[in-house]
Amino acid sequence: EDKVVQSPLSLVVHEGDTVTLNCSYEVTNFRSLLWYKQEKKAPTFLFMLTSSGIEKKSGRLSSILDKKELFSILNITATQTGDSAVYLCAVDGGLEYGNKLVFGAGTILRVKS
Amino acid sequence: DVKVTQSSRYLVKRTGEKVFLECVQDMDHENMFWYRQDPGLGLRLIYFSYDVKMKEKGDIPEGYSVSREKKERFSLILESASTNQTSMYLCASSLRVDTQYFGPGTRLTVL
Repeated sequence: EDKVVQSPLSLVVHEGDTVTLNCSYEVTNFRSLLWYKQEKKAPTFLFMLTSSGIEKKSGRLSSILDKKELFSILNITATQTGDSAVYLCAVDGGLEYGNKLVFGAGTILRVKS
Repeated sequence: DVKVTQSSRYLVKRTGEKVFLECVQDMDHENMFWYRQDPGLGLRLIYFSYDVKMKEKGDIPEGYSVSREKKERFSLILESASTNQTSMYLCASSLRVDTQYFGPGTRLTVL
């Protein structure tokens, strides 16, 4: 049973488009939610969200968490080909999940020029 | 900057061989993790360690073992490699559970 579900599984857009990636989770003792970007090799950290409704922003990327509805979105505006990557969502569920991160399967984003 | 390195980027082994994957971090992190990543399945945790000589099973430990003799080094061992262990293996380290820093990955193919 999936505890962290990302959608869509993959997405193809054109440069300049805005995309929204979704992450929903079923983790009762939630501590934090993290977004990573993975290009050809290691995932790199984007954001960590712990409080509901607070938007984290970095350039064209932003993310928000809804702890009541148990989901987060990652927004990318004015997409560029360099945004093409797998975007991973992970949740820290605390002791219930052995103090480790639970990852979603990822969303593959391809930005065409 | 945190640096996490893995001993090999690509590795090809035969069924039944013993395989060692090494991971080294230079930030004095207590926590280290081994994941495997397969298409459509995301990252799945194999083993993790909170301290030297300490290890905990993750979600898919079967067929793997680990060793943490020094704080900076965490090794993943496949005692007898099998074809279903063909995968991308990622090591990570962190001060806390969240905000993990990942190595570049080792793509292992078992023939």
